[in-house]
Parts: sequence; structure tokens; C-alpha cells
Amino acid sequence: EPEVTQTPSHQVTQMGQEVILRCVPISNHLYFYWYRQILGQKVEFLVSFYNNEISEKSEIFDDQFSVERPDGSNFTLKIRSTKLEDSAMYFCASSERFLNTEAFFGQGTRLTVV
Amino acid sequence: AQSVTQLDSQVPVFEEAPVELRCNYSSSVSVYLFWYVQYPNQGLQLLLKYLSGSTLVKSINGFEAEFNKSQTSFHLRKPSVHISDTAEYFCAVIQTGANNLFFGTGTRLTVIP
Repeated sequence: EPEVTQTPSHQVTQMGQEVILRCVPISNHLYFYWYRQILGQKVEFLVSFYNNEISEKSEIFDDQFSVERPDGSNFTLKIRSTKLEDSAMYFCASSERFLNTEAFFGQGTRLTVV
Repeated sequence: AQSVTQLDSQVPVFEEAPVELRCNYSSSVSVYLFWYVQYPNQGLQLLLKYLSGSTLVKSINGFEAEFNKSQTSFHLRKPSVHISDTAEYFCAVIQTGANNLFFGTGTRLTVIP
């Protein structure tokens, strides 16, 4: 069964450092998403990506964040200068169609900023 | 604005007992409704969804949820739980015309042998 895979499963980084979270979406999917969940809080939408550009983003997704699909298979989330409050579980998702009613999620990357 | 409320953060229940996980939402426009499940060390998996039509939707593993528009609820139920149902359950909505999911805070279901 096809699945979304995320690496690494856990990343520890020092405050102020750049991190790149990686995702391999399902191969025939066209829409890609990042969500995050701060411990004990709800899963929050960050950004959606289609046709090599951002289609929608939340207020959380500020200038410190960027997304890229560098090689046609990977989908990355970069945080330029991490803050303590960026510590969270980050989920990548992909869907074949718009209105992500059939979104498939990865297992998540736990980011810890120290 | 929209929001999703899952009032119960943790629900312990004995094996073979019934369970209900509550979900209420608020939205100024119509929505699609979802339940996702996260088993330990795994990603979020779609359990069931309501888009239109019959208000009662069912999953393949015995869960069901009923969309109640007047009460703005989409509670998840199972008449008899199994140990393997132990997981975190997330209720989510999409406003019609939008392309992102709004999630609740999740309910951790623990099935006790």
C-alpha cells in the first residue's frame, strides 16, 4: 500500500539553527501539505503546495518557513532560524485531488528545539 | 471562522464495552467532517468521513459517526471496542471550498483488557 514517508522521525536542534524536514509523498499525488502539532495542542495547518507553488498558507507559516519540491519526489519544509516554540510534531500529507478529502499523512517528524 | 472541539482528552474503556468520542464544530458555512486515527508510532489515517448524503457513516472496523447539523456534532461510536482500537482519534473539518483540514485536539482512547 502506498504511503507518505517522513525523515527523520526525530530531530533535535539548537535554537537559531536551520532545519529541513523531508517527506516523500505518494507518487501520483499532486497536492502536498504540512501540518504541525505542538504537544498537547491541536493539529494545525501550515501550508499547501500545488504545481510547484504555495496554494495556501496559515498565519503560522511566516518568513521563517519555506517549502520546496526539489526533485519531483521529495517535499521539504525548511525552518531558517528555529525558535523554542517551533518544537512540535510535523506531519506531511499528500492528496490526489483538491479539497484534500483523501489526504494521506506521514508518521510525523518530532522536532525538538533546545 | 471555524473550530473543532473534542471535549474528552482521554477515554479509558474496558474491552468489549461501547465507546463514544465526542466532536463538536462551529462554522459559518457548510463543512465536510472527518475522523482520523493515529496508532502508536504511525501517521494519521482516515477512519471515516461525511461529505453529503446519509448522515450516518461507517468504517470497515466497526466505528460509525453521525452528522447532526442541529447540534453541530459528529460523534464517533463503536458498540464493542477491541484492544487494537487503542489510539489517538482526531476529529477534523474542511469548509466547503477550502483546501485545508482543521483538527480538534484529539482524544486518546485506551482499551483496558
